[in-house]
Amino acid sequence: NAGVTQTPKFQVLKTGQSMTLQCAQDMNHNSMYWYRQDPGMGLRLIYYSASEGTTDKGEVPNGYNVSRLNKREFSLRLESAAPSQTSVYFCASSEAEGNYGYTFGSGTRLTVV
Amino acid sequence: QKEVEQNSGPLSVPEGAIASLNCTYSDRVSQSFFWYRQYSGKSPELIMSIYSNGDKEDGRFTAQLNKASQYVSLLIRDSQPSDSATYLCAVKNMDSSYKLIFGSGTRLLVRP
Repeated sequence: NAGVTQTPKFQVLKTGQSMTLQCAQDMNHNSMYWYRQDPGMGLRLIYYSASEGTTDKGEVPNGYNVSRLNKREFSLRLESAAPSQTSVYFCASSEAEGNYGYTFGSGTRLTVV
Repeated sequence: QKEVEQNSGPLSVPEGAIASLNCTYSDRVSQSFFWYRQYSGKSPELIMSIYSNGDKEDGRFTAQLNKASQYVSLLIRDSQPSDSATYLCAVKNMDSSYKLIFGSGTRLLVRP
């Protein structure tokens, strides 16, 4: 099925460990996004990529890095995980311009202990 | 002031009733408006979009937009227990490089 695929679905990390969250879309969308969702906080933008070859910081970028590997793939890296990064992470994609919404992946539930 | 505001709820309605979900936004240049439904433990799912003032209907859902009042709403007719979820309002404008700004969501509970 066409859509946005995220891996892994669940992950437990120890404080200080690193990991990369993977995201791929097969809808030929130009723009891709990483959000985190915490109880009562809604969806907060971490980083986004308006088009292949570009990345920009969102609302809460500290502690994260991203790579737009190609048009399909956009990864999120935690270099040194902290308990404050315990959250659900969603990747999304869309056409950059025009009246289009986002298509979300199924999410990664990350716990940092 | 938050850019997109929603009442967190829960909004509780009986089965068969009309559920009315509201959202206000602060940026007058906002141009596109979206409603997402999110079931517990799942990802947001786009259910409605609206770009022009007035009403837009799709099945049991009606989105209403009033740009002068900076207000967008979602009506769910004949509410069903399966409609119980959190509904997220999102706004897009050119000034934000076409990024969607999300409200924190309204939790809807439909009582059987």
